[in-house]
Amino acid sequence: AQSVTQLDSHVSVSEGTPVLLRCNYSSSYSPSLFWYVQHPNKGLQLLLKYTSAATLVKGINGFEAEFKKSETSFHLTKPSAHMSDAAEYFCVVRGGDTGRRALTFGSGTRLQVQP
Amino acid sequence: GAVVSQHPSRVICKSGTSVKIECRSLDFQATTMFWYRQFPKKSLMLMATSNEGSKATYEQGVEKDKFLINHASLTLSTLTVTSAHPEDSSFYICSARDWTSGTETQYFGPGTRLLVL
Repeated sequence: AQSVTQLDSHVSVSEGTPVLLRCNYSSSYSPSLFWYVQHPNKGLQLLLKYTSAATLVKGINGFEAEFKKSETSFHLTKPSAHMSDAAEYFCVVRGGDTGRRALTFGSGTRLQVQP
Repeated sequence: GAVVSQHPSRVICKSGTSVKIECRSLDFQATTMFWYRQFPKKSLMLMATSNEGSKATYEQGVEKDKFLINHASLTLSTLTVTSAHPEDSSFYICSARDWTSGTETQYFGPGTRLLVL
């Protein structure tokens, strides 16, 4: 079984300052990890994914995440927040039996960006 | 990335009626699609895994007779909420599994907001 814990339900930053959204995972298998973003009234968009290649993963819109096996973490970062980054972010783990390959979502972190 | 569509985007129905939601992969074939439910300000909960040409696999606690899933083609899965009740009101989201890039990625539809009166 797998699970994912997003350590902060809300994060507020000022525009232009760094963003850190924290995520820890648990998986019985070698996990694949993802970050998705959900803007209000919009669908989920894939930001980036880790699938056992490079541990530092670069995604869209300047986001990146580092897979740290020793810490079972996959934190999402961005050097400089933009107003348009305000949204709900989900850390997601995929594992389990090959036939279903379902995703397990974290509880989400709402990012607010102050002007 | 790949595109997944859902129809309708929102639907209002009377209690006791049935509602069908469609999920389509527009530019790739998906042997597996997933149906999720999202409550307000909550995360997504997997309801069932839809496999093309075979029966869906339901998560524990999800009534298979209430949430009928059909995956008749490689680009279409449907979720029918039968005899809907107000507690079924929710945001339903589908995803489709894509192997085109060489690695597995799930792409999500924009969601369907269901309101049962």
